[in-house]
Amino acid sequence: QQQVKQSPQSLIVQKGGISIINCAYENTAFDYFPWYQQFPGKGPALLIAIRPDVSEKKEGRFTISFNKSAKQFSLHIMDSQPGDSATYFCAARGYGQNFVFGPGTRLSVLP
Amino acid sequence: EAGVAQSPRYKIIEKRQSVAFWCNPISGHATLYWYQQILGQGPKLLIQFQNNGVVDDSQLPKDRFSAERLKGVDSTLKIQPAKLEDSAVYLCASSLGASGGYSYEQYFGPGTRLTVT
Repeated sequence: QQQVKQSPQSLIVQKGGISIINCAYENTAFDYFPWYQQFPGKGPALLIAIRPDVSEKKEGRFTISFNKSAKQFSLHIMDSQPGDSATYFCAARGYGQNFVFGPGTRLSVLP
Repeated sequence: EAGVAQSPRYKIIEKRQSVAFWCNPISGHATLYWYQQILGQGPKLLIQFQNNGVVDDSQLPKDRFSAERLKGVDSTLKIQPAKLEDSAVYLCASSLGASGGYSYEQYFGPGTRLTVT
């Protein structure tokens, strides 16, 4: 019940395209859902996060869509750029709990 | 603002040897985390400190791993003796608040890549 499932494992997108990464969870106590971006040799960095009281959050080219009834959330990267090539992790956390991370998606954006 | 500092960045040891990692969190951050990230997987929490007290060490293999956070600032993570399956990146992170609060954002250091041969 503590798992966060993430798909796809890897993703190749053309420059200018839309990258979509999906995550699903079971624990209904989770109330905070961040996405992290990790470049090789670096630690994960917070990209964008959402709480379940909203269905969508947008920051620049990055959008989180949240479906509370389905217990799913996704990251959309619009106008994908080669500089977006990285590994993306979804995560979830409940009040008083620690983060649970998905297994990651390796995104490659072709020039 | 300086980020989370970790050292060393890379370490290669033979199995059954011991190793220690050091972390200096962002100034003023009360909460410090150690994560293990195996290649191709997401980070897995090993231990969480609130100031200099342990909040959660339920996933720390205590027969070989130990950690301390003296004076509520810097922290060290030790493995003794190391096994082949300990090969991973060890990430340190810090945050302003405790897990019971809403200061959820955590900041990660660059990690220490450990290879056990």
